[in-house]
Amino acid sequence: QKEVEQDPGPLSVPEGAIVSLNCTYSNSAFQYFMWYRQYSRKGPELLMYTYSSGNKEDGRFTAQVDKSSKYISLFIRDSQPSDSATYLCAMKNSGGYQKVTFGTGTKLQVIP
Amino acid sequence: DAMVIQNPRYQVTQFGKPVTLSCSQTLNHNVMYWYQQKSSQAPKLLFHYYDKDFNNEADTPDNFQSRRPNTSFCFLDIRSPGLGDAAMYLCATSGDQGGSTDTQYFGPGTRLTVL
Repeated sequence: QKEVEQDPGPLSVPEGAIVSLNCTYSNSAFQYFMWYRQYSRKGPELLMYTYSSGNKEDGRFTAQVDKSSKYISLFIRDSQPSDSATYLCAMKNSGGYQKVTFGTGTKLQVIP
Repeated sequence: DAMVIQNPRYQVTQFGKPVTLSCSQTLNHNVMYWYQQKSSQAPKLLFHYYDKDFNNEADTPDNFQSRRPNTSFCFLDIRSPGLGDAAMYLCATSGDQGGSTDTQYFGPGTRLTVL
């Protein structure tokens, strides 16, 4: 079993839809959770960074962490064609420099 | 703007011909990482430097080496590239002061083709 599981998609939605992207994990020591967006043939770009359980909102993006279920989500409201990319979840045990475990990414396509 | 820069963006090499990829950063971060990412896969950590201390992942082949001559620069050397080494190579940096400063920031990547 992989430490982090993420549905690879692709996920196709119409413009304006609410998108839900999810990851599950098995390592209960993970405390820091990140979402990266990766456009084709580009490096990952940090979208959200959260610590422990709870919600964090930034513009159209909301990150949600449920440590009891070992489940994290990224919601995108009013999705735009420019949101079309691969979304990688990532997590690590503690602060400071630590090895980050990535999911394989979910490919999202927002159709105009 | 502070950033992570990788050169070249695209590199073509021949089977067995050594190649060097470079990474520079203006973020003044202590830690620099090299990842290998193949299509539809998660980035795979090859090694990282904490300041001058080199930390190799156990499953990184000996074919991959790295140098960090100063805080700003880091190089990835592939001594004898094989067809299986064709991938995107990502450089990332992070601080170590906790909070969001320890988040990894990635460069645009170098796509390596091996003929």
